[in-house]
Amino acid sequence: DAGITQSPRYKITETGRQVTLMCHQTWSHSYMFWYRQDLGHGLRLIYYSAAADITDKGEVPDGYVVSRSKTENFPLTLESATRSQTSVYFCASTRSYNEQFFGPGTRLTVL
Amino acid sequence: KNEVEQSPQNLTAQEGEFITINCSYSVGISALHWLQQHPGGGIVSLFMLSSGKKKHGRLIATINIQEKHSSLHITASHPRDSAVYICAEYSGGGADGLTFGKGTHLIIQP
Repeated sequence: DAGITQSPRYKITETGRQVTLMCHQTWSHSYMFWYRQDLGHGLRLIYYSAAADITDKGEVPDGYVVSRSKTENFPLTLESATRSQTSVYFCASTRSYNEQFFGPGTRLTVL
Repeated sequence: KNEVEQSPQNLTAQEGEFITINCSYSVGISALHWLQQHPGGGIVSLFMLSSGKKKHGRLIATINIQEKHSSLHITASHPRDSAVYICAEYSGGGADGLTFGKGTHLIIQP
């Protein structure tokens, strides 16, 4: 299916566990982003990537790791999940700094 | 870092009313985005503009670069317009320039 997908859509995990959120886009967009959305904060940028093998930190990168070995995939890993990482995570992509296309989101709960 | 402020935070209106949501920012920008997030959570890009005005159906977005202000208008509002509307700005210089407002929660009552 064309578009941008995220998996899983819902995840419950425990403090200290490693969790990986997947993001896949079929447009061959160069730029991909990970955001988290929390009440009172709005959307905040965690990491972004300008191309395969090029990633950089955003506003709130601590506790997260990303990789981008292929243009279409941009996984986000929480190395040791904490309760403060309970959030809704959105992946997005764009060809350039124009319209961004968002994935459906992953709702993560850390117990 | 640019600050993006939206107003109002919450807005309830009757079907058919003309709606205005405001967005102001503190530093010069390259482009401003308006996004829509429905109750199901999905986020859709409505407009990207760097000057003037854009229109799509009943939605109109305007921007005043000198005043560092943008507005999103909805004409003949309908209950299906109920959503959170988010403005986001890109100041240039890479993805660090992407800054989002906290959103305006709009409810249109029939």
